[in-house]
Amino acid sequence: SQTIHQWPATLVQPVGSPLSLECTVEGTSNPNLYWYRQAAGRGLQLLFYSVGIGQISSEVPQNLSASRPQDRQFILSSKKLLLSDSGFYLCAWSAFTGSFETNEKLFFGSGTQLSVL
Amino acid sequence: TQLLEQSPQFLSIQEGENLTVYCNSSSVFSSLQWYRQEPGEGPVLLVTVVTGGEVKKLKRLTFQFGDARKDSSLHITAAQPGDTGLYLCAGAWSGGGADGLTFGKGTHLIIQP
Repeated sequence: SQTIHQWPATLVQPVGSPLSLECTVEGTSNPNLYWYRQAAGRGLQLLFYSVGIGQISSEVPQNLSASRPQDRQFILSSKKLLLSDSGFYLCAWSAFTGSFETNEKLFFGSGTQLSVL
Repeated sequence: TQLLEQSPQFLSIQEGENLTVYCNSSSVFSSLQWYRQEPGEGPVLLVTVVTGGEVKKLKRLTFQFGDARKDSSLHITAAQPGDTGLYLCAGAWSGGGADGLTFGKGTHLIIQP
């Protein structure tokens, strides 16, 4: 069966410090991978998605970046965190075959609660 | 930009009561998904509805997709404390690619024993 691992679960970082969040998926190959941020009152915001190794699409301009060094590994990074980067970060995967129109599903990790102070 | 409005934003009711939460849009969606999220966890998919007017049941939960595929509702019968959580709807639109899911802000549901 497929599993998704995301760590750390909680992180407190000072403003201006770097960030690295890691996500790995097991039990599937060539998944689509996603990074979402969930902030109070704003819902789930798609930050990045990747359809393959080295392929990253960004949905919103920001000081965050993403990388996919291996098929089942997705990393979210920042060189200098801002206060506004605080939030609950979720990694997700899907066995995407072309469109979400029918039965594509997103499987989420357990999230990282990031507090920037 | 396709937007999904969920209502109510917050709902707190007693165990055993019935409730309905809504997901509305001005856009037509090809399909709509409902997720439930518990505190400190990621969302978990409950159901996908695809056809206008479709009704799906998951134990005490009934999901309906509007005839025009612009809205959806989730009805819970005899709510239990285990139903507590954030309910999110997510719509997929025709022609959308790998980024093709739009999430609503969710309904925070609390079932008091």
